[in-house]
Amino acid sequence: GEDVEQSLFLSVREGDSSVINCTYTDSSSTYLYWYKQEPGAGLQLLTYIFSNMDMKQDQRLTVLLNKKDKHLSLRIADTQTGDSAIYFCAEIPSGGYQKVTFGTGTKLQVIP
Amino acid sequence: DTEVTQTPKHLVMGMTNKKSLKCEQHMGHRAMYWYKQKAKKPPELMFVYSYEKLSINESVPSRFSPECPNSSLLNLHLHALQPEDSALYLCASSQETGTLGLSPLHFGNGTRLTVT
Repeated sequence: GEDVEQSLFLSVREGDSSVINCTYTDSSSTYLYWYKQEPGAGLQLLTYIFSNMDMKQDQRLTVLLNKKDKHLSLRIADTQTGDSAIYFCAEIPSGGYQKVTFGTGTKLQVIP
Repeated sequence: DTEVTQTPKHLVMGMTNKKSLKCEQHMGHRAMYWYKQKAKKPPELMFVYSYEKLSINESVPSRFSPECPNSSLLNLHLHALQPEDSALYLCASSQETGTLGLSPLHFGNGTRLTVT
């Protein structure tokens, strides 16, 4: 099947904004998620967006959804060194409510 | 701190050993999951339990045997594993598995398994 695609790596300077992009596969997906994974840890849910929304803001995080292009992005404002991690987008395809499909993951490196 | 607890954190086992991974959650979630994650890859679904019954087995080899003794506990029994089974094994739970509700996955920190 198709992969949920993300760019592999992003490097930003501390204090700048980071934008992590994701192209998902199922236009019928109802919820789309962003997870963060720090080294040696599990995945932590950061935020989510419902498919009838275009944008969601949650403190330093802004999620943008373009359903036409099946494109999801996560913007982190004022990026801090503690934001260094791997970020996964995830979708629940239609009819597969128990099967969350994860993106390939983007490693964010924050340079002090 | 994660609300899903996995033990042990690390496990080294030989190919003839039998061991078990354990997972516990006290959030009242009724769905529990096992995922396998190789380095630099996304998690891959192995098993799903819904209301303590196995609902999904993603064609996982029989050397992995899941068990859900009650709604808070999930085990993964390991026997005769291969070196390529070395990975991070993640447990997750969610409130339910229905499509109508928002029921995101809550992950534990995983067990790092090495098969020698």
